[in-house]
Amino acid sequence: GDSVTQMEGPVTLSEEAFLTINCTYTATGYPSLFWYVQYPGEGLQLLLKATKADDKGSNKGFEATYRKETTSFHLEKGSVQVSDSAVYFCALARGSGYSTLTFGKGTMLLVSP
Amino acid sequence: GAVVSQHPSRVICKSGTSVKIECRSLDFQATTMFWYRQFPKQSLMLMATSNEGSKATYEQGVEKDKFLINHASLTLSTLTVTSAHPEDSSFYICSAWTSGGPDTQYFGPGTRLTVL
Repeated sequence: GDSVTQMEGPVTLSEEAFLTINCTYTATGYPSLFWYVQYPGEGLQLLLKATKADDKGSNKGFEATYRKETTSFHLEKGSVQVSDSAVYFCALARGSGYSTLTFGKGTMLLVSP
Repeated sequence: GAVVSQHPSRVICKSGTSVKIECRSLDFQATTMFWYRQFPKQSLMLMATSNEGSKATYEQGVEKDKFLINHASLTLSTLTVTSAHPEDSSFYICSAWTSGGPDTQYFGPGTRLTVL
């Protein structure tokens, strides 16, 4: 079945450091890939997405590129801020409509001033 | 953006009691609502999918008599954990979907259930 593997956290960085959170997936066909972010006390929010190979999703300084050859969708940000501290979930979905989302375990990011 | 609320945010109950968790879409009508369960350091696991006015569809391994789901209106779904036991302690998250692709699920903030 489908699965998503992402690096375990917490990831601890100083403000303005470079961020990479690794995500790899296993799925048949060509899934859509997503990164969600969960701030303390809030629901998961879609951060960015990519729907086909070589697509790059970007939002709020975060980027991730859909790599079919390595089945990866790593999240990157050039300069993190304290306000980026949250839990980040990589996810995939096959098909359209309300296709079921398959999530990774989540990676907590802690950014210190 | 679309907002989904859950109530309560945290509940502690005694073993053998039942607990009801509400999920509401505040500013849109949700054709479909999903219930997830998240164990510490684990993925969100889909428990069931519910459509307004229909019986919920449960994922394999989820006891439908244990986790009762009611989707009585386009803005409200409830999850009732019946005869709760300590192993039911978990973080329960709902999401609501109305149209578009899978990324148009909007998530609630979750409910932490602790069964003593």
